[in-house]
Amino acid sequence: GEDVEQSLFLSVREGDSSVINCTYTDSSSTYLYWYKQEPGAGLQLLTYIFSNMDMKQDQRLTVLLNKKDKHLSLRIADTQTGDSAIYFCAERRRGSTLGRLYFGRGTQLTVWP
Amino acid sequence: DGGITQSPKYLFRKEGQNVTLSCEQNLNHDAMYWYRQDPGQGLRLIYYSQIVNDFQKGDIAEGYSVSREKKESFPLTVTSAQKNPTAFYLCASSIRGTGGNEQYFGPGTRLTVT
Repeated sequence: GEDVEQSLFLSVREGDSSVINCTYTDSSSTYLYWYKQEPGAGLQLLTYIFSNMDMKQDQRLTVLLNKKDKHLSLRIADTQTGDSAIYFCAERRRGSTLGRLYFGRGTQLTVWP
Repeated sequence: DGGITQSPKYLFRKEGQNVTLSCEQNLNHDAMYWYRQDPGQGLRLIYYSQIVNDFQKGDIAEGYSVSREKKESFPLTVTSAQKNPTAFYLCASSIRGTGGNEQYFGPGTRLTVT
């Protein structure tokens, strides 16, 4: 399909791990991104991964990339209530003009105490 | 501090009026973008600009106009031709080049038209 796909909702208990999944559209996309949006705010860049990598870890965040299946995931270890937000994945397609990114609809993560 | 500012945070207008949303960045970024976000929806690209005095339409440009007279500024005008202008508007910027070109976002402007 033409759209970046994400499940819309995820609920976890505080202290558990969260895994947010994303299916992107272009197997030759060069960069894949994860953004976080808190209520009423702009998007905050969390991390990104270059397409020649399978995994990237940054403190509590782990990004896994499966190029064959065009699947991207974000794992948040020891999830806290402050992690409650909407998480967007985005892809930069090879040849896309002017650095344009294509975003999914976002996954609303709710963390229960 | 470097960053992207959008003003105002909340904006109210009557139907039929044009309104201009401000976006300023001091990151020395070449590219700037405008997105619209509606509840439960992702980001939809309105306009984008790579360099001064040049810009391209995104997926939902109808009823909107932009200008890029300065590198730091990319104002968006919501015209009376936009049928459903009430939304959350986000501005972003990025560096040109072959790197990650990650986009950095401003805090957004919530526009309500009645």
